[in-house]
This record gives sequence, C-alpha cells and structure tokens, in this order.
Amino acid sequence: ETGVTQSPTHLIKTRGQQVTLRCSSQSGHNTVSWYQQALGQGPQFIFQYYREEENGRGNFPPRFSGLQFPNYSSELNVNALELDDSALYLCASSLFYASGLSGELFFGEGSRLTVL
Amino acid sequence: GNSVTQMEGPVTLSEEAFLTINCTYTATGYPSLFWYVQYPGEGLQLLLKATKADDKGSNKGFEATYRKETTSFHLEKGSVQVSDSAVYFCALSSPSGGTASKLTFGTGTRLQVTL
Repeated sequence: ETGVTQSPTHLIKTRGQQVTLRCSSQSGHNTVSWYQQALGQGPQFIFQYYREEENGRGNFPPRFSGLQFPNYSSELNVNALELDDSALYLCASSLFYASGLSGELFFGEGSRLTVL
Repeated sequence: GNSVTQMEGPVTLSEEAFLTINCTYTATGYPSLFWYVQYPGEGLQLLLKATKADDKGSNKGFEATYRKETTSFHLEKGSVQVSDSAVYFCALSSPSGGTASKLTFGTGTRLQVTL
C-alpha cells in the first residue's frame, strides 16, 4: 500500500512569486485535503477536493487554489507569495463515502515552503 | 466557530513517568475528537479518536476519554518511553455542515522523554 507522497520536500521562493505543490494520495483514496502548518502552530485547513471539485474551504484567500486529477492526485497553487505563506504544507488523503462521512485522514510528510 | 486549546509545551518527563496532556474544545453540535502525533521528520499520524460522549479512544498505551460536560479530551499514558517523544495535536471535526476531513487542530504539545 503506497502512502501519501508530497513534492517537493523543501523549496525557497521570493515574495510575489508563484508556487505549485504536489500530492499523490494513498491508493484507494478519493479525497485530498490540504493544510498549512506555520512554525509552532497546528495545521490549518485550506481546502478539500473530491471528484475533482473543491469540497470545502477554510479561511484562506483566493490566491490559494487547487486541482484534483482523475487519478486523485492533487496540486496546491499559491500566487503572489507573501512572507507569511512560509509554512509546512500538508496533504492528507481519505476515502469519502456517499453517506457524507469520511474515513481516517492519512498525511504526507509535507512540503516546507520558505518565502524570502 | 470551532476551536481547540491544549497545554503548552514542551513537556519533559523521565522514562516510565505518567503523562497527561490537557485538551479542551469549543464546537457546535457533537464533534468527533482526535489525537494526532507527529514524530520528527514525519507526517501526522492518527493516534486515537472518539466519536461520541463518554467514548474512550486508546492506542499504543495512550488513552483519552470524550468528556462532553467539561468539553475535554485529555491524553494520558501510564508509562512513557523515549520513543514517545514527539509533538501531539488534539483535533476535532464537526459533523455539522462539513465533512469529517475538515479538522480543527490545537497548537500542539511537544513531549520530550529522557532516560
């Protein structure tokens, strides 16, 4: 069973640039969620994708956007980077049931973004 | 809105000591409650969960009981090991108006266990 994998593991950008982070979900999972974890803080929910559509969003501006592909992998895009975007970005996959319930979240190791 | 408050760390204990990490929450409805653990250099792992009042979640010697009357979900372990050193996050998911994948996390408590 392949776990959740994220790339890149580390990257450095400058303010105003754009970044794309990638996530491959665990085998058999149809839902991907993204979280932002600032240093010393708990993860904050950014959004979730199910059936290639956004299915819930946290308190993040529109410059945070995402995609989910037919193979359930996902991308997180952040435009016009700001210094406060420096954080660990976590991807989590899960199985979403028609009943509306979700199985356990399985997290990747994250992509650490530094904005200078 | 939903929120989770957990005790600040770091918590430093000697091996075989008793561990308590406090967690309280604010939520509408009847949330599910979770403890996640993050070992150095790794992603978050689900440690245990409880989905209704008075449920006790347990795993790897850790326990937590869902206390609706005190809105708490304190993590306990009777005898910690050096290998338990990690950051522990309390979290909740509210079933009202959202999916169970949207978790609200506390700020985390770092546990250091020494020989």
